[in-house]
Amino acid sequence: DIQMTQSPSSLSASIGDRVTITCRASQSISTYLSWYQQKPGEAPRLLIYGAFYLQSGVPSRFSGSGSGTDFTLTISSLQPEDVATYYCQQSHSTPYTFGQGTKLEIK
Amino acid sequence: QVQLQESGPGLVKPSETLSLTCAVSGGSITSFYWNWIRQTPGKGLEWIGYMYYSGSTNYNPSLKSRVTISGDRSKNQFSLKLSSVTAADAAVYYCARRDTAMIAGFDYWGQGTLVTVSS
Repeated sequence: DIQMTQSPSSLSASIGDRVTITCRASQSISTYLSWYQQKPGEAPRLLIYGAFYLQSGVPSRFSGSGSGTDFTLTISSLQPEDVATYYCQQSHSTPYTFGQGTKLEIK
Repeated sequence: QVQLQESGPGLVKPSETLSLTCAVSGGSITSFYWNWIRQTPGKGLEWIGYMYYSGSTNYNPSLKSRVTISGDRSKNQFSLKLSSVTAADAAVYYCARRDTAMIAGFDYWGQGTLVTVSS
């Protein structure tokens, strides 16, 4: 199985800050990488697919980059509604696997 | 707007079979991959498997011996059966859709259903 490792596990930032979350795959996955946002009591929401394609309806302050084994999710200007846990997920090969999550809070 | 809705017992006895159904509205199951994913505080998000309308399936090897995913075109729904459950199978179970393109993510999810395993 391809292991997905996110860092940090949690972070605290101020409104308006630029926030970066990193995801590393245990082997090259090209750009077969998605990012999700999950708020308490809700299902995950797709933000980014194909490493950098923004899902329809997702605010443009979210962006993704990377290829191979190293990927980044960036929030350009943190908003209060961005408080959530963020997950990466690879679709290079089955079994599809997720990172352990990064919990984002407001400072 | 595509919507997915899980249903099924919230309590299953150890060694019995967990059965869940996902009703799809706003779109047909005769395209896309239809997935089951579960979430626990300890193991996080775990992909269980998918079915394609043609009948093909793909399961997580860690669960393959106990999992069956099948679809009912007439009802536009698909189902999960997980046999011989233990406490480790207690989780929130989600159904989710994914396009057939490799770059695709899971774009539509059900709200999730909590399954407890207890006698």
